[in-house]
Amino acid sequence: SQQGEEDPQALSIQEGENATMNCSYKTSINNLQWYRQNSGRGLVHLILIRSNEREKHSGRLRVTLDTSKKSSSLLITASRAADTASYFCATVRSGYSTLTFGKGTMLLVSP
Amino acid sequence: GAGVSQSPSNKVTEKGKDVELRCDPISGHTALYWYRQSLGQGLEFLIYFQGNSAPDKSGLPSDRFSAERTGGSVSTLTIQRTQQEDSAVYLCASSFGIETQYFGPGTRLLVL
Repeated sequence: SQQGEEDPQALSIQEGENATMNCSYKTSINNLQWYRQNSGRGLVHLILIRSNEREKHSGRLRVTLDTSKKSSSLLITASRAADTASYFCATVRSGYSTLTFGKGTMLLVSP
Repeated sequence: GAGVSQSPSNKVTEKGKDVELRCDPISGHTALYWYRQSLGQGLEFLIYFQGNSAPDKSGLPSDRFSAERTGGSVSTLTIQRTQQEDSAVYLCASSFGIETQYFGPGTRLLVL
């Protein structure tokens, strides 16, 4: 079953702008991960944030986690056309090892 | 080093036939996962192998689906008597523990 719900479902921006995607989940988690998918094929891991962490950075990516609200956000700064993809959040629930995915956000970055 | 590989990349089969999908995980990873991505259901967990423990099969949609992992490495997902609703992209991932899961490119299955 889907645990994460991404918001928005689709996002269209211009190159250079920032893109923010949100994810909500329902149960307690061990960690939350963000993935990118191009053309409906393999998932590329972007960043992992653990339940005891509040914010993490990786290059142009910034992820926040609010366990009290059961939500996370992914910020991509200074977006590029190459960032066009679908972005998924996925949680590892406490006591489990498998990922539960949200439905994803489709990001379109126009030159 | 090499990432997760899957074969075949694409598979077209007729309804009722059996198919086998293969996954080669990253060397040294103890955990291996199979997921399925379809238009109607999104990304779903199918089965999980961890070391020598009994696999977690809780995500398999029916008894037509089975998987094995030989020697703690390569895994094969078998779908018997395929149905049209089995059409999807089948993704394999591996990890060390419960940390980052690394995904393969997937096998796109089309059942006619």
